[in-house]
Amino acid sequence: DSGVTQTPKHLITATGQRVTLRCSPRSGDLSVYWYQQSLDQGLQFLIQYYNGEERAKGNILERFSAQQFPDLHSELNLSSLELGDSALYFCASSAPGTGINEQFFGPGTRLTVL
Amino acid sequence: GEDVEQSLFLSVREGDSSVINCTYTDSSSTYLYWYKQEPGAGLQLLTYIFSNMDMKQDQRLTVLLNKKDKHLSLRIADTQTGDSAIYFCAERKAAGNKLTFGGGTRVLVKP
Repeated sequence: DSGVTQTPKHLITATGQRVTLRCSPRSGDLSVYWYQQSLDQGLQFLIQYYNGEERAKGNILERFSAQQFPDLHSELNLSSLELGDSALYFCASSAPGTGINEQFFGPGTRLTVL
Repeated sequence: GEDVEQSLFLSVREGDSSVINCTYTDSSSTYLYWYKQEPGAGLQLLTYIFSNMDMKQDQRLTVLLNKKDKHLSLRIADTQTGDSAIYFCAERKAAGNKLTFGGGTRVLVKP
């Protein structure tokens, strides 16, 4: 158990819908990262937040957005869903000020868009 | 990720050594990592190496880094059935904490 929690574990929805994925980082970690894992694209970095502020952006679509709240939990919002958005979405967190920046991954949310 | 490449699959017999290879393109990478993903689980950091090191050993794991060729490898000694998983290498560039992952190598350990 990494200490990072993600809800829900599974999500099944239809095209055009909007969903919210939630992540609670490890206690004391200020950074939260979101990744998408799909068969064709592999593991892709989406976005990073540090202490409530966006720190880095990767291959995140405009239909997707994220935020980190004052209690440091984070939400990833996916809208106008398409079949190709079906994937495993991981959240990771890391502690401030560590040289190696070990990222601790949650168990993921499996999103299926029908 | 297009910047980090790995072979797709490796089959090995229990008790043998496994070697998983990875190539990357960014010479400014500071840290390189090996993560393990077991079925239905998230990624777990196995080991890492700083870019100014050539080798790091941690129990059954040996990481070799050839910075000139931008080649990273992970050797698992005395491979066990519990080592069956997908292994990802990842690089962290000089600026920021973003990790770029390879496509993963699926390792199957046969008894």
